Amino acid sequence: DAGVTQSPTHLIKTRGQQVTLRCSPKSGHDTVSWYQQALGQGPQFIFQYYEEEERQRGNFPDRFSGHQFPNYSSELNVNALLLGDSALYLCASSQTSGGAFSYNEQFFGPGTRLTVL
Amino acid sequence: RKEVEQDPGPFNVPEGATVAFNCTYSNSASQSFFWYRQDCRKEPKLLMSVYSSGNEDGRFTAQLNRASQYISLLIRDSKLSDSATYLCVSGAGSYQLTFGKGTKLSVIP
Repeated sequence: DAGVTQSPTHLIKTRGQQVTLRCSPKSGHDTVSWYQQALGQGPQFIFQYYEEEERQRGNFPDRFSGHQFPNYSSELNVNALLLGDSALYLCASSQTSGGAFSYNEQFFGPGTRLTVL
Repeated sequence: RKEVEQDPGPFNVPEGATVAFNCTYSNSASQSFFWYRQDCRKEPKLLMSVYSSGNEDGRFTAQLNRASQYISLLIRDSKLSDSATYLCVSGAGSYQLTFGKGTKLSVIP
């Protein structure tokens, strides 16, 4: 059973460029969350996708956008890259069930390490 | 004020020692709590969930005090393989997880 996969593993971009990161969830999972982890910090929630819609969003600017496909995979797009966007971008998948007030474990992928020069 | 705060460490302990990590959270609406473990340059992995009644998994014991908004993790008989960063996490429903900055543990031979 494949876990969460992400591509690419590493990426180097320059300021002002745009980037697309990809995530395939664990088999049987229908929900994808994206997190940004800067060096020395804990992961910070960017947004979550369920049923091809953004369900919740953290405190990130509109430069960060996403998409979920019918097969539950997801993309994270970042426009107009800034030096401060350099981080490990983590995708986590889970299965939504039991209503909004039940927790379902989120499984993390290995991440994409983005460097902005 | 950060939503989840924890001592960043590092904690350097000898093999066999007992070490305790503490964490506080500010969002009283948080309903679920966890400890994640993150090895260097790897993704976070769930170590254990935390319940008000306290729960134990082998050498690991987690405790939640909702009145004080305080979470703890106790590791007994530390092993070299326990060296990692331990992330305190709160969650609201099925949605976002809020992570602390993490506490780095180094177990020394």
